[in-house]
Amino acid sequence: NAGVMQNPRHLVRRRGQEARLRCSPVKGHSHVYWYRQLPEEGLKFMVYLQKENIIDESGMPKERFSAEFPKEGPSILRIQQVVRGDSAAYFCASSSGTGNEKLFFGSGTQLSVL
Amino acid sequence: DAKTTQPPSMDCAEGRAANLPCNHSTISGNEYVYWYRQIHSQGPQYIIHGLKNNETNEMASLIITEDRKSSTLILPHATLRDTAVYYCIVRGSYGNKLVFGAGTILRVKS
Repeated sequence: NAGVMQNPRHLVRRRGQEARLRCSPVKGHSHVYWYRQLPEEGLKFMVYLQKENIIDESGMPKERFSAEFPKEGPSILRIQQVVRGDSAAYFCASSSGTGNEKLFFGSGTQLSVL
Repeated sequence: DAKTTQPPSMDCAEGRAANLPCNHSTISGNEYVYWYRQIHSQGPQYIIHGLKNNETNEMASLIITEDRKSSTLILPHATLRDTAVYYCIVRGSYGNKLVFGAGTILRVKS
């Protein structure tokens, strides 16, 4: 079984550009979570999505960041007009949503903003 | 979700058991204790979880005190590859996110 797939593995952007990070959950999972890990810091929750719905976006910055999980296709975390402070590892996790289920994490996307 | 407290770091000799403690004194009745680890810059890896009974799987054992206010993760025979940051997380019912604290840096030494 394929696990959570994130791409790209590494993404380099210049300040002001857009970054699009993709996450394909474990087959059959309908719940996706995004986390950010700044250098030398812990994992911070960003957003929790179910197919076509945002359930909890309490950790998302108010501006420039958005996330979606369409009916078909991967979940996308979009960062507009990136700044150097957005440089971080972004991890996606998925679960089946059946109750006290495990979250499975991907290998992450390392975003570097020049 | 209840807050957890873990020591910032621990050392363990290779081949010995690693016992990682976690305090969660404000845990409520329907909250589970989860353990994850993160090796270097990889994605977090699930280890084990439990409600009130002790649990064991191929990776580790989880011992939860009777009052559920603390727990211990046991890696029975630590190897160098077990060097990682270990996170103890208390998680509520269905659908709740995992909230990561600072965790414990476990260093396994030969």
